[in-house]
Amino acid sequence: DQQVKQNSPSLSVQEGRISILNCDYTNSMFDYFLWYKKYPAEGPTFLISISSIKDKNEDGRFTVFLNKSAKHLSLHIVPSQPGDSAVYFCAASDHGSGNTGKLIFGQGTTLQVKP
Amino acid sequence: DAGVTQSPTHLIKTRGQHVTLRCSPISGHKSVSWYQQVLGQGPQFIFQYYEKEERGRGNFPDRFSARQFPNYSSELNVNALLLGDSALYLCASSLTHPILRSYNEQFFGPGTRLTVL
Repeated sequence: DQQVKQNSPSLSVQEGRISILNCDYTNSMFDYFLWYKKYPAEGPTFLISISSIKDKNEDGRFTVFLNKSAKHLSLHIVPSQPGDSAVYFCAASDHGSGNTGKLIFGQGTTLQVKP
Repeated sequence: DAGVTQSPTHLIKTRGQHVTLRCSPISGHKSVSWYQQVLGQGPQFIFQYYEKEERGRGNFPDRFSARQFPNYSSELNVNALLLGDSALYLCASSLTHPILRSYNEQFFGPGTRLTVL
């Protein structure tokens, strides 16, 4: 049962343009969402997060939008840079389960930013 | 400050063998979680330890076990290795308290690449 889904395995964007990565979830108990970036041979690096009580969180070039009614979140990167080329993972957490150490990850989307 | 460290970086084992993977969290972090990432998938939660106690367990067989030491470092043990255990094993540390309703981001180490032949 895939509770967090990233339906686009890959995305290619021109440098300077906007990258939009999407994520859907099925568990309405999720109350915290995160985006991680992963380069080859490295562990995932935290990018940005959002609580379920918000619908937007912005940090520099990165903005995460949350649509609870649609159970959908997206990560916007503006402007995209070649160094942003990596695999991006969406993850979710349910504090109500009593285990805040458990993240549920999507399958990942490979972003390629072309110069 | 040093980040999360894991050892070894790579490991090759044969079916039926046992393996021990090690993780040192960021200084001051008391929570350690373990994840398995197979090729083409996102990381899957295996265990969380906080203050040397198991606080959560994912859907993995009993061949998988872990422990946390007084210095908050952790070991993941896998017995009777199967070909399907080949994966990247990630350790993450955080300030997360498993009961308090607050959240702290998890910081991941570079992982241990395990190959089972």
